[in-house]
Amino acid sequence: SQTIHQWPATLVQPVGSPLSLECTVEGTSNPNLYWYRQAAGRGLQLLFYSVGIGQISSEVPQNLSASRPQDRQFILSSKKLLLSDSGFYLCAWSGGQTGGFYNSPLHFGNGTRLTVT
Amino acid sequence: DQQVKQNSPSLSVQEGRISILNCDYTNSMFDYFLWYKKYPAEGPTFLISISSIKDKNEDGRFTVFLNKSAKHLSLHIVPSQPGDSAVYFCAASATDSGYALNFGKGTSLLVTP
Repeated sequence: SQTIHQWPATLVQPVGSPLSLECTVEGTSNPNLYWYRQAAGRGLQLLFYSVGIGQISSEVPQNLSASRPQDRQFILSSKKLLLSDSGFYLCAWSGGQTGGFYNSPLHFGNGTRLTVT
Repeated sequence: DQQVKQNSPSLSVQEGRISILNCDYTNSMFDYFLWYKKYPAEGPTFLISISSIKDKNEDGRFTVFLNKSAKHLSLHIVPSQPGDSAVYFCAASATDSGYALNFGKGTSLLVTP
C-alpha cells in the first residue's frame, strides 16, 4: 500500500531563517506531488505541484520554493522565512498514470505545523 | 477569493442522528467535488467524491448530494457515530484548471453519545 511521510511534525523558526520541509511517498511510482498550506482561519491553499522529477508548478507567488530531486521526494524550501509563512503545511500525492487527477483523490501526509517567530 | 464556502464552522449532532454538512461554491466551471475528513494532528483523508454529471453518490453511511443549479453540495452521515467527530473539508476542481483543488475552510463536526 502507498504511504506518505512528512517531517518534521512541528517546527518553530525565527524570521529570516531558512526552511526545508521534506516529503516522501512509498508504494507508488510517478505520483503527482503537492504542497498545500492552511493558514489560520483559511482553507487549504495549493502552493506547488509536480508531475515529474524536476517539474515544478507554482500556484501563488510567495517566499517559498519547491524541488523534486527524486520521483517520490518533494521538498519545500525558503531562504528567509517571514512571519506570514506560519501555517500548517501539507504534502500530498495523487495517482498520475491512470485517469489523471480527477479520478484520483489526493492523499495527504500528517502535515507540519510551522510557527515563525 | 474563496470559491468554496463552508458557512458553518461547527456542528453538533447526537449519536445515531443524521449529520448534514453543507458547502457552496461560486465557480460554475467546477465539475468534480470531494469531501475530506481531518482528525487533529493528521492530514485530511479522502472520504467521498461526486462528478457534476451526477446528483448523488453514496458510500455506506456517507452520501453526497450535488445541486448544480444552486451551486450547493452536502454531505449526509447516517447514522452519525462518535468516531465521525472531525473537521470536514469540501473541495472542488474544474477539468480545465489544472491540478488545483479549491478547499473550503472546513466544518468541525462533534457527535455526542
